[in-house]
Amino acid sequence: GESVGLHLPTLSVQEGDNSIINCAYSNSASDYFIWYKQESGKGPQFIIDIRSNMDKRQGQRVTVLLNKTVKHLSLQIAATQPGDSAVYFCAENRKGDYKLSFGAGTTVTVRA
Amino acid sequence: DAGVIQSPRHEVTEMGQEVTLRCKPISGHDYLFWYRQTMMRGLELLIYFNNNVPIDDSGMPEDRFSAKMPNASFSTLKIQPSEPRDSAVYFCASSQRGWNNEQFFGPGTRLTVL
Repeated sequence: GESVGLHLPTLSVQEGDNSIINCAYSNSASDYFIWYKQESGKGPQFIIDIRSNMDKRQGQRVTVLLNKTVKHLSLQIAATQPGDSAVYFCAENRKGDYKLSFGAGTTVTVRA
Repeated sequence: DAGVIQSPRHEVTEMGQEVTLRCKPISGHDYLFWYRQTMMRGLELLIYFNNNVPIDDSGMPEDRFSAKMPNASFSTLKIQPSEPRDSAVYFCASSQRGWNNEQFFGPGTRLTVL
C-alpha cells in the first residue's frame, strides 16, 4: 500500500560534518511534508516543513529538499552537533486530510 | 504556552486493569491526535478529533480502546481491559487549522502492562 518510508535506519556522523537523511514517499497526492526530531524520552519536535509547490526550504542549519519526480524528500543538517543526535522522522500529509503519515525513522548518532 | 500536556508520564499496570491516559491540547488548537509508538510498529495514529468530534478512528486497534474529548481542553484514551501487547508510549498531539498541518506533540505516556 501507499506509505512513507526511510532509506536507512541509522546514520553515524562526525561532529562538524553535514548530515543527510533521506525519505521516500509513494503517494503523489501528498502536498505537505514535515520533518520531526525525537530525542530520547521526548515527543517528536517540529524541525522544518515544505509544501509540494516548493523544491527547497531552508531553516537554521537545516534544509529540506523535495524531488516530486522521484517522490523523494531529504533533510540536510549543516555542521552536525552532539545535540543533533536523535531519531528523525519524515511525515506526509495528503491533500484535504489533517492526518500525518510517519515514516519509520532514522537514528542519527553524532561522533565527537 | 505550556505546550501539550499529558498525564501520567509513566503508568505500570497489570493485565486486565483499566488504563486512562489524559491530554490537554494547546489552547486554540482545534485538532487533537492520539498516537502509539513502539519499536516494532513505529508511530501509529490511533484517532483524531476536530472541534471535539472524532473524525477518524480507523487506527484504534480494537474495542478495548476508546477515546473521548468532552471539551476543547481535555481528551482521554482508555484501554479496558489492558493487555501486555498494549505496552507502548502513547502521544497526544494538537494542531490548528491553517496553511500547514504542523502537529505539536506532548511528552508522551509510557505504558507498561505486566
